[in-house]
Amino acid sequence: AQSVAQPEDQVNVAEGNPLTVKCTYSVSGNPYLFWYVQYPNRGLQFLLKYITGDNLVKGSYGFEAEFNKSQTSFHLKKPSALVSDSALYFCAVRDRNAGNMLTFGGGTRLMVKP
Amino acid sequence: DTEVTQTPKHLVMGMTNKKSLKCEQHMGHRAMYWYKQKAKKPPELMFVYSYEKLSINESVPSRFSPECPNSSLLNLHLHALQPEDSALYLCASSQDLGASYNEQFFGPGTRLTVL
Repeated sequence: AQSVAQPEDQVNVAEGNPLTVKCTYSVSGNPYLFWYVQYPNRGLQFLLKYITGDNLVKGSYGFEAEFNKSQTSFHLKKPSALVSDSALYFCAVRDRNAGNMLTFGGGTRLMVKP
Repeated sequence: DTEVTQTPKHLVMGMTNKKSLKCEQHMGHRAMYWYKQKAKKPPELMFVYSYEKLSINESVPSRFSPECPNSSLLNLHLHALQPEDSALYLCASSQDLGASYNEQFFGPGTRLTVL
């Protein structure tokens, strides 16, 4: 079975500081990893994904994520946070061995303060 | 067009009502999904359609009835719902089920309140 863990319910950062939102995963095969962001009362927006190749993946709105196979992690990062980045972030994994369905982490609320 | 649209945005219904949620995409995607999301929780998969055929039903109560009239449309028919069914209902689509690396595109959701 596949699973995703987001160990922090909430992350607080000051505007202009770097941010990291953590994600670890467990799959039986090769993982396909995704990050989504959700603003209040909205659907999920795709940010970026890791399929294969370069461990550093760049995505929308200046976000990037680093795939670390040995630590089974896929942390989301941004060099300089904006107040408008405040939202709910979901990490997700997809594994061919699990019927190709997305499994989501519990979500992390990012609060960026001016 | 890289958008998934959902109507209505908000829906309030009584426990004896019958209503429907509608989802539409024009990206040529052949997989479509219904999710239920409670506040501050991740989306929970309800149904998956692949090439207009129901592929997955995650043991959803029969008061929820999905329908895929064509490759662009997905409906969720609601009947005799319970207050605990109040949630944000999200529709999503992806190119197809066969390619695990394809991301899902989500609609804005329908906020459902059952009185």
